[in-house]
Amino acid sequence: GDSVTQMEGPVTLSEEAFLTINCTYTATGYPSLFWYVQYPGEGLQLLLKATKADDKGSNKGFEATYRKETTSFHLEKGSVQVSDSAVYFCALRSGGSNYKLTFGKGTLLTVNP
Amino acid sequence: NAGVMQNPRHLVRRRGQEARLRCSPMKGHSHVYWYRQLPEEGLKFMVYLQKENIIDESGMPKERFSAEFPKEGPSILRIQQVVRGDSAAYFCASSPLPREWDTGELFFGEGSRLTVL
Repeated sequence: GDSVTQMEGPVTLSEEAFLTINCTYTATGYPSLFWYVQYPGEGLQLLLKATKADDKGSNKGFEATYRKETTSFHLEKGSVQVSDSAVYFCALRSGGSNYKLTFGKGTLLTVNP
Repeated sequence: NAGVMQNPRHLVRRRGQEARLRCSPMKGHSHVYWYRQLPEEGLKFMVYLQKENIIDESGMPKERFSAEFPKEGPSILRIQQVVRGDSAAYFCASSPLPREWDTGELFFGEGSRLTVL
């Protein structure tokens, strides 16, 4: 079945550091890939997405590229801020369903000033 | 804030009791989804409901779990005779009409954390 494996946390960085959170997946067909973020005290919200190989999703300075050859969708940001502290979830939606998402365990990021 | 509202945020139950979790979708959304996050695992799909209809309950445990989304009021996830293994975070999400699904975006609540003693 479908699965998502993402980098174990927690991750602690200083402000302006470079961020990478690794995400790899297993799925049938050609899934759509997502990063969701949960800020403290809030629900999960979509951060970015990519629907086909080599697509790059980007939002709020974050980027992720859909790599079919390595089945990966790593999240990156060049310079993190304290306000980026949150839990990040990698997820996929396979072609067999248009509403079921498969999530990774989540990675807690803490950015210190 | 017109986001997805879940309550209670935290619920403690003893083994054998019942747990009821409520979810009010975003304004204008008629589709509700429940996901569960067990400790050390990712969120997993449980059930998809529209008003007065269960569309897909393939992720629901076969016993003790039920869900409804009545014509009026919030969606309810009900767990009867809870056991320790039910301890988890239960997330509700909503979406507008199916044609919006191309975005793949679900709007989630903060989650309800159930602890079974």
